[in-house]
Amino acid sequence: NAGVTQTPKFQVLKTGQSMTLQCAQDMNHEYMSWYRQDPGMGLRLIHYSVGAGITDQGEVPNGYNVSRSTTEDFPLRLLSAAPSQTSVYFCATSSTGGTDTQYFGPGTRLTVL
Amino acid sequence: KQEVTQIPAALSVPEGENLVLNCSFTDSAIYNLQWFRQDPGKGLTSLLLIQSSQREQTSGRLNASLDKSSGRSTLYIAASQPGDSATYLCAVMSGANSKLTFGKGITLSVRP
Repeated sequence: NAGVTQTPKFQVLKTGQSMTLQCAQDMNHEYMSWYRQDPGMGLRLIHYSVGAGITDQGEVPNGYNVSRSTTEDFPLRLLSAAPSQTSVYFCATSSTGGTDTQYFGPGTRLTVL
Repeated sequence: KQEVTQIPAALSVPEGENLVLNCSFTDSAIYNLQWFRQDPGKGLTSLLLIQSSQREQTSGRLNASLDKSSGRSTLYIAASQPGDSATYLCAVMSGANSKLTFGKGITLSVRP
């Protein structure tokens, strides 16, 4: 039982490049979400999903795309990276409707040059 | 819009001290409140979850209380140890789409 896994752990991109941050969970949780953590800003919700095929925007969705084709996976796509997207990204899951305990992955540290 | 505040941003105490970390939120219409711990360079670990109908939760040396009407929660740590040194974040679940709003955290240092 791996819980919530995120890959890669570290990534350096150049402005304009694209990439996908991977998040996978083996807890059969319906609710999955992506946060970014920046110094002085705290954690902010980017996108979330209440189940396969259903996604919605959070507080800071611009520049990011998501899809949820399976219960287990919730990838976050940066189509054209910008220096403002330099941050630590966390994926989180919970069992039902987002009202239960949230389980976080170890994070991906992204630097955009 | 829900806002969560944690003051102070940092706290340093000697080992063995009992301490209280505070969290306040602006909208009392919450589903639950969670306290998390984050070690440097790591993800978040859930410590305690208090549902909106509950007043407190306990786990070992930790006790969290919730006063929804006043928009406040406290995390009580008994007999602090150097291993308790970390950042403690408070988060509330609220809104039509069950969004989690975080405070900026309190960085705790327990001196041996």
